[in-house]
Amino acid sequence: AQSVTQLGSHVSVSEGALVLLRCNYSSSVPPYLFWYVQYPNQGLQLLLKYTSAATLVKGINGFEAEFKKSETSFHLTKPSAHMSDAAEYFCAVTGTGRRALTFGSGTRLQVQP
Amino acid sequence: EAGVTQSPTHLIKTRGQQATLRCSPISGHTSVYWYQQALGLGLQFLLWYDEGEERNRGNFPPRFSGRQFPNYSSELNVNALELEDSALYLCASTSGVYQETQYFGPGTRLLVL
Repeated sequence: AQSVTQLGSHVSVSEGALVLLRCNYSSSVPPYLFWYVQYPNQGLQLLLKYTSAATLVKGINGFEAEFKKSETSFHLTKPSAHMSDAAEYFCAVTGTGRRALTFGSGTRLQVQP
Repeated sequence: EAGVTQSPTHLIKTRGQQATLRCSPISGHTSVYWYQQALGLGLQFLLWYDEGEERNRGNFPPRFSGRQFPNYSSELNVNALELEDSALYLCASTSGVYQETQYFGPGTRLLVL
């Protein structure tokens, strides 16, 4: 079975501050991990993905995430938050042969001016 | 390149009616996934279609069904609508058997009164 836990349903940062969104996974097979972002009244947009090629993954809009097998984590970071980053972020996991994505409960990021 | 498209954007039905939601995948993609995003329940996997066949379904009753057409577009049908079916329904597509990255459409918001 696979599962994802996102710590913190709401995170608030100041503009220009570091963004850290936490994701821990559980998987019985080597995982593929994803971060998606959802802006209000929109679908999901892929930020980045880990598919075992490299443990540090760079995505769009300045986001990156590091896969740490020992900690079963895949936290999302951005050095400097921008107002446009305010959205809901979802971590998701799947594995070879497991076709559907299993999503975390999401973290709503608020960016204060 | 056009992304995943879904129609209609909004749908209002009354309890007991049937709803039909449509999805067109990215050109060249053969797999279509359906997810439900209901308030308080997060993103849950509904159905997976590949090459015209239903490959897997999530933990939903049989009144949730669908099909995939020869052009790889897909329909999701929800029969005997219940109030708790009110949600955003998201469609995603991928290409190839070993392509795990799912690209999402903007969703159809279904409201059951």
